Amino acid sequence: AQKITQTQPGMFVQEKEAVTLDCTYDTSDPSYGLFWYKQPSSGEMIFLIYQGSYDQQNATEGRYSLNFQKARKSANLVISASQLGDSAMYFCAVAGSARQLTFGSGTQLTVLP
Amino acid sequence: DAGVIQSPRHEVTEMGQEVTLRCKPISGHNSLFWYRQTMMRGLELLIYFNNNVPIDDSGMPEDRFSAKMPNASFSTLKIQPSEPRDSAVYFCASSSTGTGKETQYFGPGTRLLVL
Repeated sequence: AQKITQTQPGMFVQEKEAVTLDCTYDTSDPSYGLFWYKQPSSGEMIFLIYQGSYDQQNATEGRYSLNFQKARKSANLVISASQLGDSAMYFCAVAGSARQLTFGSGTQLTVLP
Repeated sequence: DAGVIQSPRHEVTEMGQEVTLRCKPISGHNSLFWYRQTMMRGLELLIYFNNNVPIDDSGMPEDRFSAKMPNASFSTLKIQPSEPRDSAVYFCASSSTGTGKETQYFGPGTRLLVL
């Protein structure tokens, strides 16, 4: 069984500042992947970043980075230099050997001008 | 490159009617997933195909739901008969398994409203 916990239902950040969205996971699979998706108000699910459980370095994709702490089972998303267009719901997800994604409940991020 | 294509984008139907949702995965992807998103239950997997074969359908709510993947470029999710509690956004996603990363790319979703 897999589980994702996102404890921040809502977050606010000032434009141009950095923000960290929390995610903790639980899985019995020895090999797994962690994903972050963005869902704007238009509804689509946009892939942001991936971290493999055996990756030695934290993943980065442009302004997105994943703070992976395996011992703590956490996979926090860091968005640097927030933009107004970053306002959206953000979902953390885990996939193990069964391949299907298990999602958290999401964090609604609002970027303030 | 075309992403995952879903149709229709919106569907309004009456209780008891048959609903068919369609999905075209990204070319070359060999895994296809159907997810449902509701306010109450969040995002949940309905069924997963690998190389056109259903691998895990444990998330399919009941016999009213069925899914097929007749070939690598097409899948359907059918609800018959539909009920108001089926109202949700249905997402199709595809990935290329065996590559290690296996990122799932989502289609735009079908917003279903059953009256």
